[in-house]
Amino acid sequence: ETGVTQTPRHLVMGMTNKKSLKCEQHLGHNAMYWYKQSAKKPLELMFVYSLEERVENNSVPSRFSPECPNSSHLFLHLHTLQPEDSALYLCASSQGPAGGEYNEQFFGPGTRLTVL
Amino acid sequence: AQKITQTQPGMFVQEKEAVTLDCTYDTSDPSYGLFWYKQPSSGEMIFLIYQGSYDQQNATEGRYSLNFQKARKSANLVISASQLGDSAMYFCAMSAGGYNKLIFGAGTRLAVHP
Repeated sequence: ETGVTQTPRHLVMGMTNKKSLKCEQHLGHNAMYWYKQSAKKPLELMFVYSLEERVENNSVPSRFSPECPNSSHLFLHLHTLQPEDSALYLCASSQGPAGGEYNEQFFGPGTRLTVL
Repeated sequence: AQKITQTQPGMFVQEKEAVTLDCTYDTSDPSYGLFWYKQPSSGEMIFLIYQGSYDQQNATEGRYSLNFQKARKSANLVISASQLGDSAMYFCAMSAGGYNKLIFGAGTRLAVHP
């Protein structure tokens, strides 16, 4: 496997279910990110992990719970979601910025989530 | 506050012609990076090109070039010799401050016609 992978690619869940999204990067990067892409809205940054430590939480509801057990894996645990949480959830990884230069993020294919 | 603005919801271009996608940004940080990504209908985000705020020359990557006008805070993407496979959503993004986090614009949907 190369690049950034995400599983599952599609997920349908009820509002009372608990599920997890998984992201894995094979690029040796030290930062990982979760983004949400809803219809007709720009991509929204949800969480940032740098060296396995959460460094940013953009006012995301507690029904979304991230976990980063090591630098290669990132999870997004979901519980008691709402229909408006239906969206494409994208994971990305990158090397942190250095020397005033910023590095591109590499994205996974995303998980298309539908909450019924 | 940091912000990216893409004012063109949709654009179309004839195959083999050039097209410019507009992007303006706002930040008070003196150091920042500007990115363009392509998102085909399949959903994955594909990195196209990067411009650093201190770069003196416009970035180029194959058929892609970034027209960086720092004083106007604009970072337009120019695609030369458009191909049918260029039809996709295009997002301008900015990274400033720590941790390389990206702020995205609303995107422009490009349609390439034969």
